[in-house]
Amino acid sequence: DAGVTQSPTHLIKTRGQQVTLRCSPKSGHDTVSWYQQALGQGPQFIFQYYEEEERQRGNFPDRFSGHQFPNYSSELNVNALLLGDSALYLCASSLVGTGGSEAFFGQGTRLTVV
Amino acid sequence: AQKVTQAQTEISVVEKEDVTLDCVYETRDTTYYLFWYKQPPSGELVFLIRRNSFDEQNEISGRYSWNFQKSTSSFNFTITASQVVDSAVYFCALSEAKVGNDMRFGAGTRLTVKP
Repeated sequence: DAGVTQSPTHLIKTRGQQVTLRCSPKSGHDTVSWYQQALGQGPQFIFQYYEEEERQRGNFPDRFSGHQFPNYSSELNVNALLLGDSALYLCASSLVGTGGSEAFFGQGTRLTVV
Repeated sequence: AQKVTQAQTEISVVEKEDVTLDCVYETRDTTYYLFWYKQPPSGELVFLIRRNSFDEQNEISGRYSWNFQKSTSSFNFTITASQVVDSAVYFCALSEAKVGNDMRFGAGTRLTVKP
């Protein structure tokens, strides 16, 4: 049973560019959440997708956007990259429900903005 | 507003020692969930435990145990007879019982177990 898979694993981009990160949820899961983890810090919630719609959003600017496809996979897009966007981006999948659902995480995409 | 505090930034122990990782949380909700995750160098967050706010029973799983005390808003994690493979960053997280499953993480505690 494949767990949560993310691609790519590493990425280097230049300031001002745009980036797309991808996530395939664990089999049977229909909800995908994205987190940003800066070096030495805990993950911070970016947004969550369910039924192809953004259901909840954390305190991130509109430069961060996402999408969920009918097969439940998801993309995270970041426009106009800043140096401060350098971080590990984690995708988590879970089953629909209220808070408290066990979330399974992928290994993350490490984004470096230069 | 919800908040999770892990006051211990780094802990270093020698193998076979017991170690406790502290977690203090804040929430206005009466129904919420607490989690512990382990993050090895590979980066993936590994789920360890989930506890809901109505279940204050302590739990033991092998060398791992958790102490949940609502009176002090704490959810501490103890590793008994630590091993080198326990070396990782450990995160405590809080999720309120609402649609969206937004988890608020603490800053993490880096545990190093030396042989």
